[in-house]
Amino acid sequence: DQQVKQNSPSLSVQEGRISILNCDYTNSMFDYFLWYKKYPAEGPTFLISISSIKDKNEDGRFTVFLNKSAKHLSLHIVPSQPGDSAVYFCAAVKYDKVIFGPGTSLSVIP
Amino acid sequence: GAVVSQHPSWVICKSGTSVKIECRSLDFQATTMFWYRQFPKQSLMLMATSNEGSKATYEQGVEKDKFLINHASLTLSTLTVTSAHPEDSSFYICSGTGDLNQPQHFGDGTRLSIL
Repeated sequence: DQQVKQNSPSLSVQEGRISILNCDYTNSMFDYFLWYKKYPAEGPTFLISISSIKDKNEDGRFTVFLNKSAKHLSLHIVPSQPGDSAVYFCAAVKYDKVIFGPGTSLSVIP
Repeated sequence: GAVVSQHPSWVICKSGTSVKIECRSLDFQATTMFWYRQFPKQSLMLMATSNEGSKATYEQGVEKDKFLINHASLTLSTLTVTSAHPEDSSFYICSGTGDLNQPQHFGDGTRLSIL
């Protein structure tokens, strides 16, 4: 049973527009959540995190929103750039255990 | 979807022993596997990348003699923590992919506790 879900395997967005990547989870006991970005032939790199006690965290073009009642979080990238094209993983953390979602492949079209 | 099985999920052992963690791809051929380590309250750290049939590429600061990685087949990679000490206690997770242009698939991780 998947505890972290990313129901959209892929997403295409025009350059300059907003990219919204979604993630759902089933366990309300997670401490915090992470977003990772992965380019081909590389391991994932950390992008942004959010504590379970917050509902928003912003870092430059990246904003993560957490809706605890819906067990849903989303990553907003605005404006989207071609260099943002990558696979994005949502991950949930309880102490030191990390559970990853399956990833969403984002393509930003110039 | 593709499945990666990681075993064991939790191991507790005495200081000085060696521990082997297995990572298996169940329904695809994982030509590349990644090994990560997670510390509490920190982001995941990539330890090494292994390609089937060749030596693993270790990230800077990771001791290759301490963390032995073997990727002898397209469905199995192992990480052996040699002469483990309490500071090696952590959560280790693997992932695999058959195509580096496609998403990688993560195992469920192994919690290692060294007493």
